[in-house]
Amino acid sequence: DGGITQSPKYLFRKEGQNVTLSCEQNLNHDAMYWYRQDPGQGLRLIYYSQIVNDFQKGDIAEGYSVSREKKESFPLTVTSAQKNPTAFYLCASSIEDSLNSPLHFGNGTRLTVT
Amino acid sequence: GQSLEQPSEVTAVEGAIVQINCTYQTSGFYGLSWYQQHDGGAPTFLSYNALDGLEETGRFSSFLSRSDSYGYLLLQELQMKDSASYFCAVRDLAGANNLFFGTGTRLTVIP
Repeated sequence: DGGITQSPKYLFRKEGQNVTLSCEQNLNHDAMYWYRQDPGQGLRLIYYSQIVNDFQKGDIAEGYSVSREKKESFPLTVTSAQKNPTAFYLCASSIEDSLNSPLHFGNGTRLTVT
Repeated sequence: GQSLEQPSEVTAVEGAIVQINCTYQTSGFYGLSWYQQHDGGAPTFLSYNALDGLEETGRFSSFLSRSDSYGYLLLQELQMKDSASYFCAVRDLAGANNLFFGTGTRLTVIP
C-alpha cells in the first residue's frame, strides 16, 4: 500500500538539542510539505519542496531546516534555535503543487522538548 | 494575507445533519478545501470547491459562494465515527504557495 510514513510517532528531546524527523513516501509524489500543529490551531506550513534538491520556506521556517536529496524523503530538522519546538508535526505530499491537488498526510510525530 | 473563520466546536445528534461554516479573506482565491482529522491522526482530504455551488460526495457535501467569501461542509446521516475536527483551507498565491488552514471545528456526535 502506498502512503506516507513518519517516524517516530513520539519523540522526546532535551532543550538545546537538534532533532530530525523522518518522512518517507512511496506515492511517487513530486511535492512534499511539513506542517506544524499546535492545540487549538490550524496547520501552519514550515517548508515545502516541489522537486528534488529544491525547497522553499513556509510561514514559520525559522528554527527549522530540511533537505530533499531523494524524491521519496523529506526530513525535517528542528534546531535549538526554534524557540517553542514542542508540537505535533505533520508531513504531507501531493501529486504536484497545483491548485486542487489534495494533500496526503502522514500520521505525524509528536515532539516534546523539555 | 489570509484569514479563515470557523466555529470552534459543534455538537450534533447521531443521524442528524450538521453544517460547518467557513468564511475567508484572501488576497487571491484559488478554491476552498476541507479536511477531516481524528484525534492524534492524519488529516484526510474531503472535498475541493473552485466554483460556486454544491459538491456532493456521499454523505458529505461542500458549498462555496465566492461573492460572499463563504463556504460550508454539510454532513448528513451523522455517525459516531464522524466525531473529528474539520478544517477548511485556501490557497493564497499572493504569498508562498501555501495551503492555509483554518483553526478547525471540533464536531462531537452524541447518541
